[in-house]
Amino acid sequence: DVKVTQSSRYLVKRTGEKVFLECVQDMDHENMFWYRQDPGLGLRLIYFSYDVKMKEKGDIPEGYSVSREKKERFSLILESASTNQTSMYLCASSRDASSYEQYFGPGTRLTVT
Amino acid sequence: RKEVEQDPGPFNVPEGATVAFNCTYSNSASQSFFWYRQDCRKEPKLLMSVYSSGNEDGRFTAQLNRASQYISLLIRDSKLSDSATYLCVVDTGGFKTIFGAGTRLFVKA
Repeated sequence: DVKVTQSSRYLVKRTGEKVFLECVQDMDHENMFWYRQDPGLGLRLIYFSYDVKMKEKGDIPEGYSVSREKKERFSLILESASTNQTSMYLCASSRDASSYEQYFGPGTRLTVT
Repeated sequence: RKEVEQDPGPFNVPEGATVAFNCTYSNSASQSFFWYRQDCRKEPKLLMSVYSSGNEDGRFTAQLNRASQYISLLIRDSKLSDSATYLCVVDTGGFKTIFGAGTRLFVKA
């Protein structure tokens, strides 16, 4: 069974703080993704990675950066958190370029005050 | 116009009812189509893929209409456990996966 874990279920940060969200998958998947989910907007792709040290911008990368130093770990960084980054953040992985099924972690609900 | 549009619902149906959801997509070059299910406060999980020839898995049937650019999900004999949000997902290739905002379903006893 594929398992994707995220470092925190709930997080509260202050405006201007640097925030790290960690994601780990245990199935040797090549691709990893970060999404945010907001009511009425669905999941929106922030960044994805198809290999170690490789990253690509998604639809809403502004205000975020990512790091993938090891295959199993994909980190999302908010350099200076703002209130409009309050959201549910979901990490996902998929096996390779030919596999469309994405496996999601449980999500991190981030509140920026 | 959103790339993938769904009726947000909620759809409130009694147990045993048949319910159908539609989803429209705007990019005619879209290649692959899926339905994901998301339970309250849980992560999305793949429910089924949608093929041009249609796809059936037990009580669930998914269909694709490329000419009209929509996909559908039909649930027969609804169960209480079917209560969830159903996400329409369209893949246009190159890691470009678009998730709809979801349709909420409540099945009542």
